[in-house]
Amino acid sequence: GQQLNQSPQSMFIQEGEDVSMNCTSSSIFNTWLWYKQEPGEGPVLLIALYKAGELTSNGRLTAQFGITRKDSFLNISASIPSDVGIYFCAGRTGNQFYFGTGTSLTVIP
Amino acid sequence: EAGVAQSPRYKIIEKRQSVAFWCNPISGHATLYWYQQILGQGPKLLIQFQNNGVVDDSQLPKDRFSAERLKGVDSTLKIQPAKLEDSAVYLCASSLFDTLNTEAFFGQGTRLTVV
Repeated sequence: GQQLNQSPQSMFIQEGEDVSMNCTSSSIFNTWLWYKQEPGEGPVLLIALYKAGELTSNGRLTAQFGITRKDSFLNISASIPSDVGIYFCAGRTGNQFYFGTGTSLTVIP
Repeated sequence: EAGVAQSPRYKIIEKRQSVAFWCNPISGHATLYWYQQILGQGPKLLIQFQNNGVVDDSQLPKDRFSAERLKGVDSTLKIQPAKLEDSAVYLCASSLFDTLNTEAFFGQGTRLTVV
């Protein structure tokens, strides 16, 4: 299957700090998606990006679809304790989705 | 709108036993996916259905795993016999069959522990 590389693998930040994570692939995707997964739950969709260069916000979250269509980043501004979880990127080609390895976020109050 | 429903939430079985998971996708979603998520990793696709037909099962260990979606709505995933390395969360997801703006939505998953 397709390989999506996410970085960083984990982050420990102070409440109120901004967070940035990214995802890269050797393959081109038609859609980039960002999910958050909390312990014991399934991934929840945060943001979907459909066009190269697209910049989309959802509250404190901002994500961009890379111009090359091979990468995407997710920013979280002014982090709060409930942002804790694992964030996954996913790329879509056709009707198939491929997932990154995840970024584990810990927010220290 | 109701989300993707999965059951059971948790299952503990002994190795060599069999187990089955059930999934009901979002109403109207033609595509249904089963993913395996091992602790610390991202979801890995096991099988993808389009209505009641299999689109991709290249990653499904067919000697022990099987899945069906007979009426093109809900689906079951079975493992027989289970091995220790099958311990994982099994996630079901669904999506509209839309070539432009397609997103996958997940259920809460079934956590399987094989002892």
